[in-house]
Amino acid sequence: DAGVIQSPRHEVTEMGQEVTLRCKPISGHNSLFWYRQTMMRGLELLIYFNNNVPIDDSGMPEDRFSAKMPNASFSTLKIQPSEPRDSAVYFCASSSGGLPLHFGNGTRLTVT
Amino acid sequence: TQLLEQSPQFLSIQEGENLTVYCNSSSVFSSLQWYRQEPGEGPVLLVTVVTGGEVKKLKRLTFQFGDARKDSSLHITAAQPGDTGLYLCAGEDSGYALNFGKGTSLLVTP
Repeated sequence: DAGVIQSPRHEVTEMGQEVTLRCKPISGHNSLFWYRQTMMRGLELLIYFNNNVPIDDSGMPEDRFSAKMPNASFSTLKIQPSEPRDSAVYFCASSSGGLPLHFGNGTRLTVT
Repeated sequence: TQLLEQSPQFLSIQEGENLTVYCNSSSVFSSLQWYRQEPGEGPVLLVTVVTGGEVKKLKRLTFQFGDARKDSSLHITAAQPGDTGLYLCAGEDSGYALNFGKGTSLLVTP
């Protein structure tokens, strides 16, 4: 089992640029989550998909953030335009029908 | 959002010492999970507790869920350098979402 795969592992970009983070969940898992981790706020849930449908996006900070799940094996989180305060580690997690969550190793985003 | 407070925030101890970290909330959770996160990696599930008063053991780690299901503790006996990491508690909310505490960062030195 390859686990949840995220890319890229590190992303450095300038303010105003578009950033796309990618996630491949564990095969057979029907739930996918995007979390953001910072020292100040810890792990925060951004959005939850079930069977490729967004169920809860109340954690998405603002309209600059968008997430898609076109099929069961791929999801993207896009930030456009990016801002320095978006710097954080972004985690994707998947599960089969609820808990527990299986996390990827994250994407460390730095916006300068 | 149900808030989880973890304490202490940082803990540095020597190999062989015992320690306890705490996870507290004013809200009741249907279940609570503990994760450990190592640098550069995602959190990995250690245990899930469901019943008030439940105690679970995982080798040298003992997890307890409070009777009222609002708090939990993690006790490590004879800590080892391999126990170093960020320990996160997470309460189940809405049947799918997890509300995470900010974690306790543990450093065990030889």
